[in-house]
Amino acid sequence: DQQVKQNSPSLSVQEGRISILNCDYTNSMFDYFLWYKKYPAEGPTFLISISSIKDKNEDGRFTVFLNKSAKHLSLHIVPSQPGDSAVYFCAASGVVTGTASKLTFGTGTRLQVTL
Amino acid sequence: GAGVSQSPSNKVTEKGKDVELRCDPISGHTALYWYRQSLGQGLEFLIYFQGNSAPDKSGLPSDRFSAERTGGSVSTLTIQRTQQEDSAVYLCASSLGPPDTQYFGPGTRLTVL
Repeated sequence: DQQVKQNSPSLSVQEGRISILNCDYTNSMFDYFLWYKKYPAEGPTFLISISSIKDKNEDGRFTVFLNKSAKHLSLHIVPSQPGDSAVYFCAASGVVTGTASKLTFGTGTRLQVTL
Repeated sequence: GAGVSQSPSNKVTEKGKDVELRCDPISGHTALYWYRQSLGQGLEFLIYFQGNSAPDKSGLPSDRFSAERTGGSVSTLTIQRTQQEDSAVYLCASSLGPPDTQYFGPGTRLTVL
């Protein structure tokens, strides 16, 4: 039972364009969402997070949007750079329900930014 | 400062052998987490430590898996009588405590032949 789903295993975007990575979740108890980036042979690196009390959070080139009614979030990267090429994982937890310690991850989307 | 470190980076073992994986968290982080990533899968939660105690062990897949943490710092994940399905990358993370951001180590790639 995959509670966090990233339905696109890969995405290719030209340098300078916008990258949009999508994530869907099924557990309505999730109230905190994160995006991690992973390069080969390295551990995941935290990128950005959003609480369910917000619908948008921005940090430089990275913006995360949350649509609670649709149980959907997305990560926008603008402009995309070749160094952004990595696997991106969406993760969720339930802070209010006391499961903040347990992140539930999607299967990842491999982003390739081409020149 | 130093990040989360894990050792060994790679481990190849034979089916039925025991293995120990080590994690050194970021200094001052009281919370420590173990996850694993099997081929083509997302990260799967295994266990969470707060200090030396483990309030959430719900992700350990069987009683062959155990973990301990000593001195509120280093943690060891032990897998007894390894099976081929245990092959995965085992990742450790630490934080100041949930829901603070979890910082991951580079992982240990375990291959069970």
